[in-house]
Amino acid sequence: AQSVAQPEDQVNVAEGNPLTVKCTYSVSGNPYLFWYVQYPNRGLQFLLKYITGDNLVKGSYGFEAEFNKSQTSFHLKKPSALVSDSALYFCAVSLRSGGSYIPTFGRGTSLIVHP
Amino acid sequence: GAGVSQTPSNKVTEKGKYVELRCDPISGHTALYWYRQSLGQGPEFLIYFQGTGAADDSGLPNDRFFAVRPEGSVSTLKIQRTERGDSAVYLCASSPGLAGNRGSYNEQFFGPGTRLTVL
Repeated sequence: AQSVAQPEDQVNVAEGNPLTVKCTYSVSGNPYLFWYVQYPNRGLQFLLKYITGDNLVKGSYGFEAEFNKSQTSFHLKKPSALVSDSALYFCAVSLRSGGSYIPTFGRGTSLIVHP
Repeated sequence: GAGVSQTPSNKVTEKGKYVELRCDPISGHTALYWYRQSLGQGPEFLIYFQGTGAADDSGLPNDRFFAVRPEGSVSTLKIQRTERGDSAVYLCASSPGLAGNRGSYNEQFFGPGTRLTVL
């Protein structure tokens, strides 16, 4: 079984400040980890993924995430937040099980960046 | 190029009716996924196609739900005898999954969703 936890329903940050959106996971094996963003009235968009290799992954719009195997975490970060980053963020984990890579998504975290 | 499209964008139906939701994936994407998203929740997996075949339908909640992808492109999610609890946003995603593999770890490209309301 695989699961994802996003412990914060909402994260508030001032524009220009660093932001972190937390994600922890549980899988019985090596995970594939993803972050997606959902803007109002739009579909989910891929931000970044960790498959293997360097634990620090860089993605779209200046976002990055760090895979921490010992803490089973994959927190999303950005050094300087923009008001336009305000959206719903989803962490997802997948594991090859039974031949399929079916991702499990977290509940989502609403990021609000204040001007 | 064109992204994933879903029609209709909104569907209101009455309890007990039959509905069909359509998904047009990105051209050339062999993998297609259906999800259901309820308010305040993340997408919940329903079914996954690799080409024309349903490679994994373990997420379908019961036998009222069925999906097809007859030509390996467009897919239709069919719900019989709809119930109020079926109300949700139904999302479709496609991915350049590798032929012969049962899915891949490639990122998925999502459509805007169909909001289904069962009265």
